[in-house]
Amino acid sequence: SYVLTQSPSVAVAPGQTARISCGGKNIGRKVVHWYQQRPGQAPVLVVNDDSDRPSGIPERFSGSNSEDTATLTISRVEVGDEADYYCQVWDTTSDSYVFGTGTKVTVL
Amino acid sequence: EVQIVESGGGLGQPGGSLRLSCAASGFFVNTNYMNWVRQAPGKGLEWVSVLYSVGTTYYADSVKGRFTISRDNSKNTLYLQMDGLRAEDTAVYYCARRFCNTRTCSDALDIWGQGTMVTVSS
Repeated sequence: SYVLTQSPSVAVAPGQTARISCGGKNIGRKVVHWYQQRPGQAPVLVVNDDSDRPSGIPERFSGSNSEDTATLTISRVEVGDEADYYCQVWDTTSDSYVFGTGTKVTVL
Repeated sequence: EVQIVESGGGLGQPGGSLRLSCAASGFFVNTNYMNWVRQAPGKGLEWVSVLYSVGTTYYADSVKGRFTISRDNSKNTLYLQMDGLRAEDTAVYYCARRFCNTRTCSDALDIWGQGTMVTVSS
């Protein structure tokens, strides 16, 4: 089945930029979505369809997707951005949703 | 207000059964693609199952043949019947709706419930 690999953790200082990668074979041919999950809370969709932002999500969150890597970029990082982040695709080969392994973002 | 509330979690015996419910408000479960996603303690997100508006269902290999997704339109509620429970089914189970805006729908999940905890143990 399709596998999405994320780096386990990213540390960033407030005001700086965090980049979270999601690796998958030819992921650029798929549509990628990103979720933020704060401790003890349900996931929240922050980027859909590679680079769109749902209503209410700050412009600081952006996404890109090409070849074998999709990237979630958080600009001007705030303390409130500290959370786990997951990428996700729909895999047509297995007719299943696939989530990435998750990346913990720590704000220093 | 668009909202999802899960219920039905608790302690289940290995080999036993539980039924989870997902009550929706502000939208109709029968006109949306509805999903179950779970998260084992300290672990990542794992998709479990989807029920399309037309009735098509898909399951993760880990639950295929043991879990059944269904809905009751009159109650605007989604269900997950969990049979043959195993210790590895222990997780918080979330119900989530597929994302649609005024223009189109995608495979993102935009509305999530708060989750219900299932513990499988003797």
